[in-house]
Amino acid sequence: EVQLVQSGAEVKKPGESLKISCKTSGYSFTSYWIGWVRQMPGKGLEWMGIIYPGDSDTRYSPSFQGQVTISADKSISTAYLQWSSLKASDTAMYYCVRLRTVPDIPIVDYWGQGTLVTVSS
Amino acid sequence: QSVLTQPPSVSAAPGQKVTISCSGSSSNIGNNYVSWYQQLPGTAPKLLIYDNNKRPSGIPDRFSGSKSGTSATLGITGLQTGDEADYYCGTWDSSLSAAVFGGGTQLTVL
Repeated sequence: EVQLVQSGAEVKKPGESLKISCKTSGYSFTSYWIGWVRQMPGKGLEWMGIIYPGDSDTRYSPSFQGQVTISADKSISTAYLQWSSLKASDTAMYYCVRLRTVPDIPIVDYWGQGTLVTVSS
Repeated sequence: QSVLTQPPSVSAAPGQKVTISCSGSSSNIGNNYVSWYQQLPGTAPKLLIYDNNKRPSGIPDRFSGSKSGTSATLGITGLQTGDEADYYCGTWDSSLSAAVFGGGTQLTVL
């Protein structure tokens, strides 16, 4: 059974750093693209970026380029999303997702349960 | 502001049919496959339709998808109260070189 299990909710202050994780199981981690999707409170879904753990090819959506870093550790089948300096506007639910095929046919067949990040002073 | 435009809300009575539109351009829907996702309240989204009109296993045939030109449509027949959710379209945008979602449509089953 394919599973994407994300790390727990976080409460941070503006300016702090953060790294959230997505532990995968039930499939070959290095054979599928993993992505991150943001959902701000009461708002819609936004693609942030994707990574191919097989070769660490990483691509960011224009709005998130330079704002976050996506990485993966093949040895533990885990993907990460990190911020170096959080802002209040980063408050959102973050989903890790698995792409069924190639990036330009972005079909998400599995979703993590989401990690709620709250940034407040 | 998403590059894919969906109506903010639609509603219909139980047992009826509803359609949800997703309008884009030649750089996204016009030349790429469309997927649809259902997000029930308080849960992660779920894949409903992929490749414009294919259903993953386990998705009932009450859900259908179609595409024409630069627009796509999700259809739901035999509406149930359990279908109340937010629905999102998604595709690739060749100009942005990025995947995109529509703004989402809230379905109310009256």
